[in-house]
Amino acid sequence: QVQLVESGGGVVQPGRSLRLSCAASGFTFSSYAMHWVRQAPGKGLEWVAVMSNDGSEKYYADSVKGRFTISRDNSKNTLYLQMNSLRAEDTAVYYCGRDFRTLLDYWGQGTLVTVSS
Amino acid sequence: QSALTQPASVSGSPGQSITISCIGTSSDVGGYNYVSWYQQHPGKAPKLMIYEVSNRPSGVSNRFSGSKSGNTASLTISGLQAEDEADYYCSSYTSGSTRVFGGGTKLTVL
Repeated sequence: QVQLVESGGGVVQPGRSLRLSCAASGFTFSSYAMHWVRQAPGKGLEWVAVMSNDGSEKYYADSVKGRFTISRDNSKNTLYLQMNSLRAEDTAVYYCGRDFRTLLDYWGQGTLVTVSS
Repeated sequence: QSALTQPASVSGSPGQSITISCIGTSSDVGGYNYVSWYQQHPGKAPKLMIYEVSNRPSGVSNRFSGSKSGNTASLTISGLQAEDEADYYCSSYTSGSTRVFGGGTKLTVL
């Protein structure tokens, strides 16, 4: 069955960096585009970024453009999110998700990122 | 990249039907048949309920249905059950190849 497991979250100071990982299994990872979506505590879902199956295309939300970078390693079935210049408003649970008909079908359980001094 | 507009809350009694609206623009909801709906219970990951406006994934109850008219998409839940109580989010593809979510709607089953 499809499994997505995020890791790499934690507490980080404003201005610092963090890299999240999403390990995929149960499907042919290299055939699917993948997304990152976040949810601030008590708030709604916010789409963050998407990368095509071969890594040739990537798109970002305006709120993270220039600070976050999505990448993938198809040989390791892993999706990444490099987050630089972190701000308090980046505090959220970060989910990775598999693309299905341009949106998401399967989601991981999320990893919490807290930006605080 | 403005969020799609959903009502903050809706409610209904068991057995009744409710509809949640999702208002976008011609650059997202109105421009593409790529609208999905997600159900999220507290502390859980979202679950796909409807894709491509009106299609149900395997395993999702046929009490859930979706539709679209112009820039507004809708999710209807018929025969409300206690376990339907959750947050619901719409999402759409956009003209910039990005995606956007609605602000979410809290469904209360009275």
